[in-house]
Amino acid sequence: DAGITQSPRHKVTETGTPVTLRCHQTENHRYMYWYRQDPGHGLRLIHYSYGVKDTDKGEVSDGYSVSRSKTEDFLLTLESATSSQTSVYFCAISALSYIDGYTFGSGTRLTVV
Amino acid sequence: KNEVEQSPQNLTAQEGEFITINCSYSVGISALHWLQQHPGGGIVSLFMLSSGKKKHGRLIATINIQEKHSSLHITASHPRDSAVYICAAVNNDMRFGAGTRLTVKP
Repeated sequence: DAGITQSPRHKVTETGTPVTLRCHQTENHRYMYWYRQDPGHGLRLIHYSYGVKDTDKGEVSDGYSVSRSKTEDFLLTLESATSSQTSVYFCAISALSYIDGYTFGSGTRLTVV
Repeated sequence: KNEVEQSPQNLTAQEGEFITINCSYSVGISALHWLQQHPGGGIVSLFMLSSGKKKHGRLIATINIQEKHSSLHITASHPRDSAVYICAAVNNDMRFGAGTRLTVKP
């Protein structure tokens, strides 16, 4: 969707290195979310944001941090990547929280070797 | 046990067949969300429903709140319907099922 972009699309990194994934939106939506998707599991919420500098933890937040200094950007950081963080990461946005429905980014495939 | 269970996990159909994908949930919800994940990985929202039935083209979603069950139906299936279909229970957050992989053969 043109209103939300994720970067990079693919990344391979080494264990122990920091990694930052970026989610950028042009919709001016209040809510932004980071999910990870793994085989056999549904999408699982890592962190979400309900406004600039307002963030909260999700179901699987250990090992991740986020920042939102502007409405349009939501960054996900793996401070010290581990192999268990190999996954596909999706960003999503919504105007009015969960009941409003989401628009998803195209995903970032992260491999930690 | 997952809070949101989908069945079947995998489904193969012939073009033209009527498809049903099921979603059961054990949590309280304000709505049930159906999404489609394309083979390329992109995820698209299909329906958000809190009661009854919604229809969009060949897709129909129903929900039975008392039974905590929702179904997604596809009429006259087509190979382009091949995708992973995901349901999610919506309340104060969104809990996702693991998805149903649908393959429609010509």
